[in-house]
Amino acid sequence: DAGVTQSPTHLIKTRGQQVTLRCSPKSGHDTVSWYQQALGQGPQFIFQYYEEEERQRGNFPDRFSGHQFPNYSSELNVNALLLGDSALYLCASSLEGYGYTFGSGTRLTVV
Amino acid sequence: TQLLEQSPQFLSIQEGENLTVYCNSSSVFSSLQWYRQEPGEGPVLLVTVVTGGEVKKLKRLTFQFGDARKDSSLHITAAQPGDTGLYLCGGNAGKSTFGDGTTLTVKP
Repeated sequence: DAGVTQSPTHLIKTRGQQVTLRCSPKSGHDTVSWYQQALGQGPQFIFQYYEEEERQRGNFPDRFSGHQFPNYSSELNVNALLLGDSALYLCASSLEGYGYTFGSGTRLTVV
Repeated sequence: TQLLEQSPQFLSIQEGENLTVYCNSSSVFSSLQWYRQEPGEGPVLLVTVVTGGEVKKLKRLTFQFGDARKDSSLHITAAQPGDTGLYLCGGNAGKSTFGDGTTLTVKP
């Protein structure tokens, strides 16, 4: 039973560029949430998608956007990258928002 | 200001010792989750506590939810090096939120 799959595992981008991160949820899960985890901190909630709609959003600027596809997979897009966007980006899937399963994350470095 | 405050931030102990870490908030949570995260990996769910005063045991780990559902604790008995990791508490108070975790190191 495949868990949550995230790609790529590591990424280096230049300030000002745009990036797309991808997430395939655990089989049977319909909800995908995205988090940003800076070094030494807990995960910060970015947004949650359910039935292809953004259901909840944390305190992140509009440069952070997302999408959920009919097969429940999801993308996180970040525009106009800043050095401060360097972090581990985690995707978590769940069934109707209960019982989160996390992926291993994408380590984004902005230089 | 963090909605969930975890303490201590760092804890280093010898194998065989007991320890307790805490997760506190001024807000009421319908449930709280505890996770363990290892370097380079995502958090792994350990337990969910739902009822005020609830105690759940997972082998050597004991989790307690405060009566008012504003705080929780994790007690580890006879810690082992394999318990080393970042322990996170998380919940939903309008939106998903996590504490900054307790980094536990258990030395052999």
